[in-house]
Amino acid sequence: NAGVTQTPKFRVLKTGQSMTLLCAQDMNHEYMYWYRQDPGMGLRLIHYSVGEGTTAKGEVPDGYNVSRLKKQNFLLGLESAAPSQTSVYFCASSYQRANTEAFFGQGTRLTVV
Amino acid sequence: KQEVTQIPAALSVPEGENLVLNCSFTDSAIYNLQWFRQDPGKGLTSLLLIQSSQREQTSGRLNASLDKSSGRSTLYIAASQPGDSATYLCAVPTQGGSEKLVFGKGTKLTVNP
Repeated sequence: NAGVTQTPKFRVLKTGQSMTLLCAQDMNHEYMYWYRQDPGMGLRLIHYSVGEGTTAKGEVPDGYNVSRLKKQNFLLGLESAAPSQTSVYFCASSYQRANTEAFFGQGTRLTVV
Repeated sequence: KQEVTQIPAALSVPEGENLVLNCSFTDSAIYNLQWFRQDPGKGLTSLLLIQSSQREQTSGRLNASLDKSSGRSTLYIAASQPGDSATYLCAVPTQGGSEKLVFGKGTKLTVNP
């Protein structure tokens, strides 16, 4: 009963390094999302996907790229990490549009030094 | 642009008390509203999803109400317990684009033994 799984759970990067966060869901959901959560800012949508092979920009997409090559996986990439990208990142999925229940992963705590 | 507000930002109550958390949204043309719970260092767990055609939704000691016309929802927690201590967030789909959820910043609830 895995649900939504994020890898890794914690990571420390140096400024300028790159990394990829992996989100995997086993519920056959069409929609997947990447959010970041910062103190005082709440949850903000970075990118989302409405199906395999599709991606779209959210509220704060700059500095991030995403790919949805397989329906069950949604990857978030940081090409050149900056301290401003220090945050907790959450992946979520839903069966259809946002009018169906959303399920969240446990989060990735990223620190950029 | 849809905006979601949760007041108060924090609430502390003694164990056993009944309490109400508030959520307001600016655009009443919503498909549904979801309430989530977030424990420290964890992801979001869906508590209740209330459709726009519903007035109430119940799960155990939780009851969510929705008044679309006034742009308000409440989450009622009966007989609160220390285990209810968490941050509670509400979210609604965006106007004209139900692929995305807009979140409030949450109410941090502390239930004291």
